[in-house]
Amino acid sequence: QQQVKQSPQSLIVQKGGISIINCAYENTAFDYFPWYQQFPGKGPALLIAIRPDVSEKKEGRFTISFNKSAKQFSLHIMDSQPGDSATYFCAASGSNQGGKLIFGQGTELSVKP
Amino acid sequence: DAGVTQSPTHLIKTRGQQVTLRCSPKSGHDTVSWYQQALGQGPQFIFQYYEEEERQRGNFPDRFSGHQFPNYSSELNVNALLLGDSALYLCASSTWDRDGYTFGSGTRLTVV
Repeated sequence: QQQVKQSPQSLIVQKGGISIINCAYENTAFDYFPWYQQFPGKGPALLIAIRPDVSEKKEGRFTISFNKSAKQFSLHIMDSQPGDSATYFCAASGSNQGGKLIFGQGTELSVKP
Repeated sequence: DAGVTQSPTHLIKTRGQQVTLRCSPKSGHDTVSWYQQALGQGPQFIFQYYEEEERQRGNFPDRFSGHQFPNYSSELNVNALLLGDSALYLCASSTWDRDGYTFGSGTRLTVV
């Protein structure tokens, strides 16, 4: 019930294309869903986050879509660039868990020029 | 404005030894959490400190312990190291009443 399942494990996209990464969760107490970007040798960096009271949030080229009934959320990267090549993690936490983040397994994104 | 600072960046230890990792949180943050990230995996929550007390703990054995100091900096101690403890150890800071962690670049621990 504490798991967050992420897919795909790896993704190859052409420059200018749309990258889509999906996550699913079981714990209905989760109420905060961030996405992190991690480059080799670096720690995860917060990209964008959403709460269940909205179904979509957009920041620049990054969009989170959230489906509360299906307990799924996804990250869309529009106009993908080679500089977006990194590992992406979804995560979830609940207000009753004091901010502890449960991470997905990660998606390694490669954007080809 | 300095972010989260971790030291050392790399460390090699022998099985059975003890190790201490250090973290200075981002300015203005009072809460520190530690995560273990095995190669090719997502970070796993170890524990969280606020007001110098352990507030939450993940599914890690007692060999993992920590401390938070009055200036909000923190240490992670691991005793009786096992080969399986080899990982990237990440420190993340935040304010207690708000979401959104800032992660450090981590300490790469190798146990041989």
